Formats: sequence, C-alpha cells, structure tokens
Amino acid sequence: KAGVTQTPRYLIKTRGQQVTLSCSPISGHRSVSWYQQTPGQGLQFLFEYFSETQRNKGNFPGRFSGRQFSNSRSEMNVSTLELGDSALYLCASSFSSVQRTANYGYTFGSGTRLTVV
Amino acid sequence: AQKITQTQPGMFVQEKEAVTLDCTYDTSDQSYGLFWYKQPSSGEMIFLIYQGSYDEQNATEGRYSLNFQKARKSANLVISASQLGDSAMYFCAMREGASGSARQLTFGSGTQLTVLP
Repeated sequence: KAGVTQTPRYLIKTRGQQVTLSCSPISGHRSVSWYQQTPGQGLQFLFEYFSETQRNKGNFPGRFSGRQFSNSRSEMNVSTLELGDSALYLCASSFSSVQRTANYGYTFGSGTRLTVV
Repeated sequence: AQKITQTQPGMFVQEKEAVTLDCTYDTSDQSYGLFWYKQPSSGEMIFLIYQGSYDEQNATEGRYSLNFQKARKSANLVISASQLGDSAMYFCAMREGASGSARQLTFGSGTQLTVLP
C-alpha cells in the first residue's frame, strides 16, 4: 500500500510570505503528526491531529498551524515566514489513538524541505 | 534535562562488522516505548525497531537488535554485519505514557554512522 506522501518535496519562499505543506497519510491511518527538523534544534514535535481535531501541540509560535480533513489528509501552514523556519518538515501517520500494535505504527513521509530566503 | 541522549555524534564501522549505537533516556512514566529510526540523506525517517517498557525480551528485527537495560535507562541499537547501505543518521526516540495517552515522539540528536568498505 502507498506510504505517507508529502508535497511539495522542496520549497523556496521569501521572508514574510506564508506557506502550506501537505501530508497524505497511509490509507486507514487517522492520526497525523508533524515534526520540524533543523541542524540546530534537531527534530521537534509541532502538532498532532486525529479525526480532524488537534490533540497535541508542541512549543511553537502561533504562526505555525495545521488542520486535518475528513479523509485524514493534513496541511500545515506557516505564516510570516522567518529565516529560522528553514527546515525539513516531516509528517508521520499512525493507525489509531489506541495503539495496540507493537511498534505503534509511526510511518514517516520523505519530508518537505523548506528554504526561506 | 534531555529526555533522549545520544552521545555519539559520529561513528565509523568496517563493512561486515557489528556496531552499537548508544541511547539513554529519561522518563518518570512506567509505560513508554522506545524507537530507532534511520534517516538517509534523502530525508525519510525509516522505522527500524521498537521496544516497549514492559517487554521482557530485547527486540530484534533482522540485523537490528535493541539492547534494553531498563534499570540503566538505556536502549542501545546493535547492527550486525554492517553494510554500505547502513550509512545514515540514526535516531533514538521515545513515546511516553500509556497507550493512547501521549502521541508524540521525542528524538535524540542522532548518530551519523559511516560504513567503510
């Protein structure tokens, strides 16, 4: 079955602009999480959505937001881009809020590499 | 305090030899899960192995095994018979809380493994 699909793969934006990234989870997966990866801060949790509701949020400013649609696809939006927002943004999908499987089914996409100039 | 500590920024190993990547963690939860992911230069996070806090046996997945020492709060990854394709960044991660109650992964800073021919 298809994996987690993130689009676009690469993006270049100018400071002050806004950007929207997309994540399509594995079919049947209802939970989508977003992570930011930078050389300085490493991998940091942004937020998690389940059944169109944000359940958990990391320590990021309000410029970072997201949503999830009824088909479980998720988008994240960053407004008023700053140079420090340049990063690899990773999306992970998992099956259920009650994780009974051994590895809890976190499957990551290939990421969107955002460069802010 | 860091929740996940990977003290080896870089490691080198000869092809066909075994290598151990270190990971220590810090949590007050009794129920938690530990993960190892591989990230090649393409950016995708590839799941390798999982260990639950209540699992009595060390997890194994093919050439990967997890040396879980609960009292020492360590979860080292052992890769046997290294291959050139194993060259990548390796991340240790933890999910805290009982199943379904916490849904984010906390990552370590990673270890860059280079396999030498």
